Amino acid sequence: EVQLVQSGAEVKKPGESLKISCKAFGYSFTNYWIGWVRQMPGKGLEWVGIIWPDDSDTRYSPSFQGQVIISVDKSISTAYLQWSSLKASDTAMYYCARPRTTGATDWFDPWGQGTLVTVSS
Amino acid sequence: EIVLTQSPGTLSLSPGERATLSCRASQSVSSIYLAWYQQKFGQAPRLLIYGASSRATGIPDRFSGSGSGTDFTLTISRLEPEDFAVYYCLQYGSSPFLYTFGQGTKLEIK
Repeated sequence: EVQLVQSGAEVKKPGESLKISCKAFGYSFTNYWIGWVRQMPGKGLEWVGIIWPDDSDTRYSPSFQGQVIISVDKSISTAYLQWSSLKASDTAMYYCARPRTTGATDWFDPWGQGTLVTVSS
Repeated sequence: EIVLTQSPGTLSLSPGERATLSCRASQSVSSIYLAWYQQKFGQAPRLLIYGASSRATGIPDRFSGSGSGTDFTLTISRLEPEDFAVYYCLQYGSSPFLYTFGQGTKLEIK
């Protein structure tokens, strides 16, 4: 079964760094892009960026370029989303999701269960 | 940048009724690059429709998608209690925003 399992909820202070993870099961990790989606409290879905695990080719939404870093560790089939200095406005649920088709940036399916990031002083 | 505008923002209907949700794009979108998702409170989005009109695996046939160009529609023929949720359209494949979501339509029980 194809599955994405994300790391647990995080509570951080402004200015702290953070790296959340998304571990893939049930498919060849290097043959599919893997993306991240943000959902702020009570709001809609926003695409953050996407990475090709085989060579770490990464595409960011212009809205998130320079704000986050997406990376992977191929040896453990895991993708990461990280911040160097969190802001209160980074408070959100973050989902990882995989495009349906190998090698393509098509519709996302499946999705991880989400990681809630709370940034508060 | 393609902007997707969903309407209405909130739709109040009763079980058994027909729901029609709209997703309008700011410029023409190939129909193969349009999907619909359902999201219930506290859950990850669930794929309903891809390629504008193809139902995802396990999705009941009361859900259907249609449209082309700039106007797309998700129709739920007869609402079941479990269908009350938020629905999002998604456009994929254009640059620089590889993925763009609509702002969502909340389908609530009347």
